[in-house]
Amino acid sequence: GAGVSQSPSNKVTEKGKDVELRCDPISGHTALYWYRQRLGQGLEFLIYFQGNSAPDKSGLPSDRFSAERTGESVSTLTIQRTQQEDSAVYLCASSRSSGSINNEQFFGPGTRLTVL
Amino acid sequence: AQSVSQHNHHVILSEAASLELGCNYSYGGTVNLFWYVQYPGQHLQLLLKYFSGDPLVKGIKGFEAEFIKSKFSFNLRKPSVQWSDTAEYFCAVIPTGRRALTFGSGTRLQVQP
Repeated sequence: GAGVSQSPSNKVTEKGKDVELRCDPISGHTALYWYRQRLGQGLEFLIYFQGNSAPDKSGLPSDRFSAERTGESVSTLTIQRTQQEDSAVYLCASSRSSGSINNEQFFGPGTRLTVL
Repeated sequence: AQSVSQHNHHVILSEAASLELGCNYSYGGTVNLFWYVQYPGQHLQLLLKYFSGDPLVKGIKGFEAEFIKSKFSFNLRKPSVQWSDTAEYFCAVIPTGRRALTFGSGTRLQVQP
């Protein structure tokens, strides 16, 4: 089946605007993760969803960032009032479940966000 | 702060040279360890992982890594690199009690033919 997909692949926005990024996980994967990668840095964890449990939001850098996921399907990451430091590649990953650490996370191609 | 360190940011090798990329982590408890690779224009993908047992783990494409608990290290090795190994390599850790990966900053490997 298809892998993790993300849209858009590229997004250029002006400072202060809101953006919404989308992730379609692999069918049947109950766990979904958002990470971001700023230039020259490693991936930073943002938020994690597991089934219908409350999400782990501990990685969100500010209250301008939020994410939703309906059931075990699509997730959207919203950044309000974007700032230049939000420029990064936003990566989504999914795994069968997080009940076992052995579950591999499969990554999408990412959305490259540029805030002018 | 707890972190993952990759000391080599950019490595250039000739084909057939041996490779070792360093990875150190600073978590004190039990961790699960990973190496991910991102080939040019492709998604991040898992190269190998360590959860328990034999500290020498073998991954795809001839890569292996050794977990040395006393040194908090998980170095990646390959005896003879190929041009097709040109990619960015990321070390990552999941500390006990967490579900998300904590990544190092990555090492860009360039293999010259």
